[in-house]
Amino acid sequence: GEDVEQSLFLSVREGDSSVINCTYTDSSSTYLYWYKQEPGAGLQLLTYIFSNMDMKQDQRLTVLLNKKDKHLSLRIADTQTGDSAIYFCAEDLNQGGKLIFGQGTELSVKP
Amino acid sequence: EAQVTQNPRYLITVTGKKLTVTCSQNMNHEYMSWYRQDPGLGLRQIYYSMNVEVTDKGDVPEGYKVSRKEKRNFPLILESPSPNQTSLYFCASSSQFKVAKNIQYFGAGTRLSVL
Repeated sequence: GEDVEQSLFLSVREGDSSVINCTYTDSSSTYLYWYKQEPGAGLQLLTYIFSNMDMKQDQRLTVLLNKKDKHLSLRIADTQTGDSAIYFCAEDLNQGGKLIFGQGTELSVKP
Repeated sequence: EAQVTQNPRYLITVTGKKLTVTCSQNMNHEYMSWYRQDPGLGLRQIYYSMNVEVTDKGDVPEGYKVSRKEKRNFPLILESPSPNQTSLYFCASSSQFKVAKNIQYFGAGTRLSVL
């Protein structure tokens, strides 16, 4: 079945790297996404990776995809207090627009 | 500015009193969807719509209705709200046909409390 799993909490110090992990079960995923939810706001797309890629880098963000293990990670370099938010991974099963979301990882950045 | 607008942002109601949460998008998107967000459960899809007059159930549709009479609007209707529908609700839209990636744009959310 379709399932996306994330750990619920991560705490880091300002300036450190953060790594948020996600596992998914459906190997037919076409795209995988990372969304960011700031307090009191909706979700905003942070980055995405196509399923035939292993890595994607976008400024401070690095996405790694291990298709064999169905594991996705988001690395944030030089984490800032403004990065404190809930991060959701989501998989696109190419079923007419439906996304399957993980539970969300709450990232807390301490000064 | 491209956006998805939900109203109201906050709502407190009582069991059984019908309510509607409105959602409107200005991006001419075909696809619209409603989610609820509960602690530890992530986002779960309630209903979605592929286009005008085309709606279908998501993963948790019980107790909800939707309609899609116009492309831009996708209201969520709770005919007889119950306390287990207390949650944070998000509307989202995306264009399936212009890009290969299904990037969904989210509203700011509606926090609903049913007493």
